[in-house]
Amino acid sequence: GENVEQHPSTLSVQEGDSAVIKCTYSDSASNYFPWYKQELGKGPQLIIDIRSNVGEKKDQRIAVTLNKTAKHFSLHITETQPEDSAVYFCAASTGNNDMRFGAGTRLTVKP
Amino acid sequence: GAGVSQTPSNKVTEKGKYVELRCDPISGHTALYWYRQSLGQGPEFLIYFQGTGAADDSGLPNDRFFAVRPEGSVSTLKIQRTERGDSAVYLCASSSSSGNTIYFGEGSWLTVV
Repeated sequence: GENVEQHPSTLSVQEGDSAVIKCTYSDSASNYFPWYKQELGKGPQLIIDIRSNVGEKKDQRIAVTLNKTAKHFSLHITETQPEDSAVYFCAASTGNNDMRFGAGTRLTVKP
Repeated sequence: GAGVSQTPSNKVTEKGKYVELRCDPISGHTALYWYRQSLGQGPEFLIYFQGTGAADDSGLPNDRFFAVRPEGSVSTLKIQRTERGDSAVYLCASSSSSGNTIYFGEGSWLTVV
């Protein structure tokens, strides 16, 4: 089955700096890669996703890149703000209801 | 609200007791998922329903865990003879069809003492 590895497990940045979180996956058939943000005591919320037919997708301060050959994808957050502090999860799926998650990255943005 | 609804939000139970956790998916969503999340970990897949049937229950850890979705909407996750290791957040999610984006509820935090 699919195995998703996520790094780093914790990340601390200064407000205004950029943050990058990286994930690798094992199943070359995976074609859908969402990112979720989870705040304390809440369920994960989808923030951006990418499908395998594109290499990059951007939504305001958030972007995701995908390298299918290397089987890795990354989340980039620019101009970080304190409210970006949360746990971020990557996931991968072949589209057959087999979504598997990374272990998460705890992002802290210091004001 | 239009999101996935889970009840209870918190449940404390004694070791050995039986527990039921309920999930009400987004209206019209045919696919429903249960995940379990331990502290500091990502969501771990338990079971997936397409309509009324369990299409994939390969993530259920053992036969103490069971889930139903009798009318293709609300689902109940049932845990028998609870153990302290069952303590976790149980997340429910739904999607409109196979392979599409899944949306999570707020979770049910289960503590077994």
